[in-house]
Amino acid sequence: SQQGEEDPQALSIQEGENATMNCSYKTSINNLQWYRQNSGRGLVHLILIRSNEREKHSGRLRVTLDTSKKSSSLLITASRAADTASYFCATDAWDTGRRALTFGSGTRLQVQP
Amino acid sequence: DSGVTQTPKHLITATGQRVTLRCSPRSGDLSVYWYQQSLDQGLQFLIQYYNGEERAKGNILERFSAQQFPDLHSELNLSSLELGDSALYFCASSVTGGNTEAFFGQGTRLTVV
Repeated sequence: SQQGEEDPQALSIQEGENATMNCSYKTSINNLQWYRQNSGRGLVHLILIRSNEREKHSGRLRVTLDTSKKSSSLLITASRAADTASYFCATDAWDTGRRALTFGSGTRLQVQP
Repeated sequence: DSGVTQTPKHLITATGQRVTLRCSPRSGDLSVYWYQQSLDQGLQFLIQYYNGEERAKGNILERFSAQQFPDLHSELNLSSLELGDSALYFCASSVTGGNTEAFFGQGTRLTVV
């Protein structure tokens, strides 16, 4: 089963606006990661936040993690047309006795120029 | 370029056939993951290997099998193929598995006709 679920499924914004995507998960995690995928291409790692961290920044990206609510958010500030892609959260967690990296269904972000 | 190489890039085959997908991880990475991405199922975790041994198993069908060889490359074998197996198959690698970012190959697009 999917560990992480992103919300919204799709998001359309204008260039220059901020984009916020959320991820909820079910079990305790070791860390949570965000990835980006351009259409039909491989996923690219954006940022990793550990379970004992609450916020992390990387350039125009800001990730928060609330382990009490089992949720994370990815904020992209001052969006650009080139940010158009699908964004996935991935949880590194123990599942049925094994540690695995599992992905949500993704948020499709469209940035209009 | 992520450093992860997947071959072939495209594969068209008939129902009932068997195919082998190959993955060469980044130099130094010990862990290999396989994922299936289809339009209606999102990114599904199939299986993970670490230094030649199976580490975690996800939603992998019994018709599918994988292995990681001593040189750390991995193969995913898909047999008795069905139309529903048509998807993008991604391989990813990481240094240790889970606690670090995963690097994705460009995927193999499998079409079963």
